[in-house]
Amino acid sequence: LAKTTQPISMDSYEGQEVNITCSHNNIATNDYITWYQQFPSQGPRFIIQGYKTKVTNEVASLFIPADRKSSTLSLPRVSLSDTAVYYCLVLPSGNTPLVFGKGTRLSVIA
Amino acid sequence: ETGVTQTPRHLVMGMTNKKSLKCEQHLGHNAMYWYKQSAKKPLELMFVYSLEERVENNSVPSRFSPECPNSSHLFLHLHTLQPEDSALYLCASSQDHRAQYEQYFGPGTRLTVT
Repeated sequence: LAKTTQPISMDSYEGQEVNITCSHNNIATNDYITWYQQFPSQGPRFIIQGYKTKVTNEVASLFIPADRKSSTLSLPRVSLSDTAVYYCLVLPSGNTPLVFGKGTRLSVIA
Repeated sequence: ETGVTQTPRHLVMGMTNKKSLKCEQHLGHNAMYWYKQSAKKPLELMFVYSLEERVENNSVPSRFSPECPNSSHLFLHLHTLQPEDSALYLCASSQDHRAQYEQYFGPGTRLTVT
């Protein structure tokens, strides 16, 4: 099971672009990378998933370099409502369940 | 609204009480999960059910007893809990119990054990 490492916390001002990088050095060939977002006192929700290069949706972009040993979640022009914990997860193949780490606590300041 | 509902949203119980948490998913999923989230700690997977059969039990104390009568409903029966069991209990569902499938979480039940 690939271990992930991401910053414990980050601060940002409103309107800035925020990049959260996650390292997963022992990612396996068939593993996907996914990110979840959790607001206070709520369950996590899926944001984005990718395998390599770049994926973009209405919420965020995910950049994965060729060696796939890291990934960067990019949130464009954050607002106060983006204050949350962001989890990077590597999805193993087979029957292994998801394992959430501590995530990155993003605080957006006015 | 994720399609996963949990009741009650808040629960205060004494250590000698017996209570149950309920989860219902309206997504037609085959897998359901219970997670525990204590303050300042990562989510801890407690139980996984696939098509009403338990496929994962992460060394959870027997004072927590899950029940999955059908693929849409999941219960967590609680008895003789300890104060350290106070936490946010989250239910989730997914199309399949393998990690590749996106999980949809409910709003959680905030449990306080006094």
